[in-house]
Amino acid sequence: EPEVTQTPSHQVTQMGQEVILRCVPISNHLYFYWYRQILGQKVEFLVSFYNNEISEKSEIFDDQFSVERPDGSNFTLKIRSTKLEDSAMYFCASSVRENTEAFFGQGTRLTVV
Amino acid sequence: DQQVKQNSPSLSVQEGRISILNCDYTNSMFDYFLWYKKYPAEGPTFLISISSIKDKNEDGRFTVFLNKSAKHLSLHIVPSQPGDSAVYFCAASAGWGSGGSNYKLTFGKGTLLTVNP
Repeated sequence: EPEVTQTPSHQVTQMGQEVILRCVPISNHLYFYWYRQILGQKVEFLVSFYNNEISEKSEIFDDQFSVERPDGSNFTLKIRSTKLEDSAMYFCASSVRENTEAFFGQGTRLTVV
Repeated sequence: DQQVKQNSPSLSVQEGRISILNCDYTNSMFDYFLWYKKYPAEGPTFLISISSIKDKNEDGRFTVFLNKSAKHLSLHIVPSQPGDSAVYFCAASAGWGSGGSNYKLTFGKGTLLTVNP
């Protein structure tokens, strides 16, 4: 069964460093998303991406964050200068169309020290 | 900003019985609702969805009911199995019917379901 895959599963980084979280969405999906879940809190929407541009972004997705689809298969989330409060599980998701269910990857646990 | 609320943090049921998980929402623009299941150290797994033009959707052991006037939905699992033990998230989005912005899912905090053998 097709699935969304994310790498790495766990990333530890020092405050102020840049990190890139990688995702391979399901191959025939056209809509891509990043969500995050801080420990003990809700899953929160960060950004959606379609046709090589951001469709919608939340207040959390400030100038420190960027997304890119560098080739036909990968979808990346970059955090330019990590802060302690960026520590969370980051989930990538994809969907066939905008009004269908999103399928999530297994997540990347980001720990900022 | 709790637009989607799951007021029961946990639920425990016996194997074979019905599990009923509840969810309330406040945003009247929501018109597409989903349930996800999540095991520890894994991503949310899609279970079932319902659009606002329906009041019930069934898929095997899972049925979702939507009461738009009460802004309430529920997930029924019958019969419950030990493998169903997980955190269940309710999620909602707006614009499904109008082609508007449906990209963003708003999640509830989740309910931990434990099914005892």
